[in-house]
Amino acid sequence: KNEVEQSPQNLTAQEGEFITINCSYSVGISALHWLQQHPGGGIVSLFMLSSGKKKHGRLIATINIQEKHSSLHITASHPRDSAVYICAVRKTSGSRLTFGEGTQLTVNP
Amino acid sequence: DTGVSQNPRHKITKRGQNVTFRCDPISEHNRLYWYRQTLGQGPEFLTYFQNEAQLEKSRLLSDRFSAERPKGSFSTLEIQRTEQGDSAMYLCASSLGSFYYGYTFGSGTRLTVV
Repeated sequence: KNEVEQSPQNLTAQEGEFITINCSYSVGISALHWLQQHPGGGIVSLFMLSSGKKKHGRLIATINIQEKHSSLHITASHPRDSAVYICAVRKTSGSRLTFGEGTQLTVNP
Repeated sequence: DTGVSQNPRHKITKRGQNVTFRCDPISEHNRLYWYRQTLGQGPEFLTYFQNEAQLEKSRLLSDRFSAERPKGSFSTLEIQRTEQGDSAMYLCASSLGSFYYGYTFGSGTRLTVV
């Protein structure tokens, strides 16, 4: 079993819909990251969380440390949000990131 | 500073050839990480450096793989005697190394072994 699990693997939405991507992890962490990857490979960091909730524009990320679960929400989704969204954790015992497999989001106009 | 730079962006090589990739991190970042990503999967850790010291290597990093960061600035990842299974995106990231700071990723080098 992977230490970081994401759901769903693929998500198709219509423009304007509210989107939720979930991440569960099974290890102790010092931080959880949400990342965005566009075709071509480059990864952009969206959020780094260790507790609570963060908001940036139409993106909201939450984390529940006790339940070892995080969600990424996109409000008023737009076709330009189409990308792979990856959850990654920094374990308490190390420096590097451990990644989920990613969620491919497609937003249709 | 323009972020983390990786070169080349794409590399096609014949099986059995050696390849070398370069990563230039953000200048003040003391930690540098290499990850490998195959199609449809999340990145997997390969190795990381703090300054010039290689502190951790994954079991994925076979004897054919070697990484260096000679002066604690740029890093190179070399793959000897490439195999088709080495085809992947090789990602570099850097950080300040403190818990409070995040990671900055490069655009990756896509390797295709034919």
